[in-house]
Amino acid sequence: DVKVTQSSRYLVKRTGEKVFLECVQDMDHENMFWYRQDPGLGLRLIYFSYDVKMKEKGDIPEGYSVSREKKERFSLILESASTNQTSMYLCASSSFGTGGTEAFFGQGTRLTVV
Amino acid sequence: RKEVEQDPGPFNVPEGATVAFNCTYSNSASQSFFWYRQDCRKEPKLLMSVYSSGNEDGRFTAQLNRASQYISLLIRDSKLSDSATYLCVVTGVNFNKFYFGSGTKLNVKP
Repeated sequence: DVKVTQSSRYLVKRTGEKVFLECVQDMDHENMFWYRQDPGLGLRLIYFSYDVKMKEKGDIPEGYSVSREKKERFSLILESASTNQTSMYLCASSSFGTGGTEAFFGQGTRLTVV
Repeated sequence: RKEVEQDPGPFNVPEGATVAFNCTYSNSASQSFFWYRQDCRKEPKLLMSVYSSGNEDGRFTAQLNRASQYISLLIRDSKLSDSATYLCVVTGVNFNKFYFGSGTKLNVKP
């Protein structure tokens, strides 16, 4: 079974703090993703990575950065947390290829910025 | 324009009913198609992949119409446990980007 594990289920941080969200997958997937999910807006892609040290901006990268130093780990960094970054953050991974493989999700991190 | 559009619902149906969801996608070059299910405050999980020939998994049937760029999901004999949000998902040209619809909420009532 594919497992995608996010480091925290719930986090509360203060405005201006630097926040790290960690994600680890155990299936040697090439692709990893960070989404945020807000009511009425669905899942929005923040960043994705298709290889170690490679990253591409998604639809809403402002205020975020990412790091992928190892294939199994993809970190999302909020450089200076703000209240409008309060959200559910979901990490996902998938295998690259023509088989059209699905994305597997972590359990999500509910971040509250106060 | 959004990549994937879905009716947000909610669809309120009695147990045993048949219910159908549709979604449309904007990029004709999209390669792969899926339906995901998301329970309240949980992560999305794959329900089924969608193929041009159509596919069935028990009470669930998925169809893809490439010419009209829409995907459908049919649920027969609805159960209380089917209550969830159903997300329509398409991949980009290189398979390594996933585009999610905002989801259709289904409530199955006794």
